[in-house]
Amino acid sequence: QITLKESGPSLVKPTQTLTLTCTFSGFSLSTSRMGVGWIRQPPGKALEWLALIYWDDDKRYSPSLKSRLTITKDTSKNQVVLTMTNMAPVDTATYYCAHRREGSSGYYIFDSWGQGTLVTVSS
Amino acid sequence: SYELTQPPSVSVSPGQTASITCSGDILGNKYACWYQQKPGQSPVLVIYQTSKRPSGIPERFSGSKSGNTATLTIRGTQAMDEADYYCQAWDSSTEDVFGTGTKVTVL
Repeated sequence: QITLKESGPSLVKPTQTLTLTCTFSGFSLSTSRMGVGWIRQPPGKALEWLALIYWDDDKRYSPSLKSRLTITKDTSKNQVVLTMTNMAPVDTATYYCAHRREGSSGYYIFDSWGQGTLVTVSS
Repeated sequence: SYELTQPPSVSVSPGQTASITCSGDILGNKYACWYQQKPGQSPVLVIYQTSKRPSGIPERFSGSKSGNTATLTIRGTQAMDEADYYCQAWDSSTEDVFGTGTKVTVL
């Protein structure tokens, strides 16, 4: 059974850097075609994909947020860390991490999600 | 950047069929998947590879695609199906894209 859990601050000030950790179990990020992604959801709004890291350390970022995001993994700890710089009130959202599966026939899905963590950006 | 457009809301009577569309150029030659999100909960994958159901997802959920539009169909809709639904697709030039979301109300 795959489980993921996000952790990090619930409140950050404008201009600060947000660091979120995703701790997972039930799979290894050293297994081919596995990955972990980050997705956020502002209150009452739609899901927005942020970043993704694959088993081979390939990293992908949302084009609109690429300059502010960094994703890393620690395979030995089963953790993935997302940092987002220069936080602003519009970044207030629930941040989810999710298990990424890449199918052999070319599909890409998030088949297990963490519970999410609400991050509020306010002075 | 690519967008996936969904209707903001769909209303359906219990036992009837609900259809949710997802339109975007990215869907032309890519698979779509669908997530269900109930209030206060994390999204759950209900359809992947356009038309396949993960284990544990009821048969009343099905998916299809025609051209640049994917459709999630819920047959025999139940009150428990009331939720927000999001489509998602991936393309090498845009990476992952989520749809704008559809709120399904079971009246």
